[in-house]
Amino acid sequence: DVKVTQSSRYLVKRTGEKVFLECVQDMDHENMFWYRQDPGLGLRLIYFSYDVKMKEKGDIPEGYSVSREKKERFSLILESASTNQTSMYLCASSLGGQGAFFGQGTRLTVV
Amino acid sequence: QKEVEQDPGPLSVPEGAIVSLNCTYSNSAFQYFMWYRQYSRKGPELLMYTYSSGNKEDGRFTAQVDKSSKYISLFIRDSQPSDSATYLCAPLETGAGGGNKLTFGTGTQLKVEL
Repeated sequence: DVKVTQSSRYLVKRTGEKVFLECVQDMDHENMFWYRQDPGLGLRLIYFSYDVKMKEKGDIPEGYSVSREKKERFSLILESASTNQTSMYLCASSLGGQGAFFGQGTRLTVV
Repeated sequence: QKEVEQDPGPLSVPEGAIVSLNCTYSNSAFQYFMWYRQYSRKGPELLMYTYSSGNKEDGRFTAQVDKSSKYISLFIRDSQPSDSATYLCAPLETGAGGGNKLTFGTGTQLKVEL
């Protein structure tokens, strides 16, 4: 069965902290994505990666960076967390045009 | 104009009703069309997908794509309270270097009442 695992379901961090969100998939998928989801705005793409050590900016990359050192792992980094980064963060992976599979999400609160 | 437009609802129907959920899109390069279901506080779950124009049926669910009018539909027959969720359409453009990234509508919230 397809599995995308995000390291935390809930996180509370302070303004200015460096935050790491980890995502692991066990399906040998080439593509991995980070989205954030906010009420009324839907899912917005932050970054994606179509190969190890490759990354592409999505629609809202400002304030974020990513790392993909291994095929199965894609990390999202908030360099200096701010309150406007309070959101639900969703990781996904996909293979070709067959749709993406999502993790359960990390609800991040920055105080 | 957003690339994918979807009525946010909420849409409330009685149990057993036929539900029609719709999206429009603007990018003619979209080739695959996904539907996701998302329960509250959960990640989206891939429900079904179609390639190009046409219909696809899976149990009580039917996905329909009309590329000429850039219109996507999801029909749910004999709706159940367990179908209460937010439904997101997500067309996909494939291509070199594109990473097969999905573009999401904002989702339609559906409530099926007893």
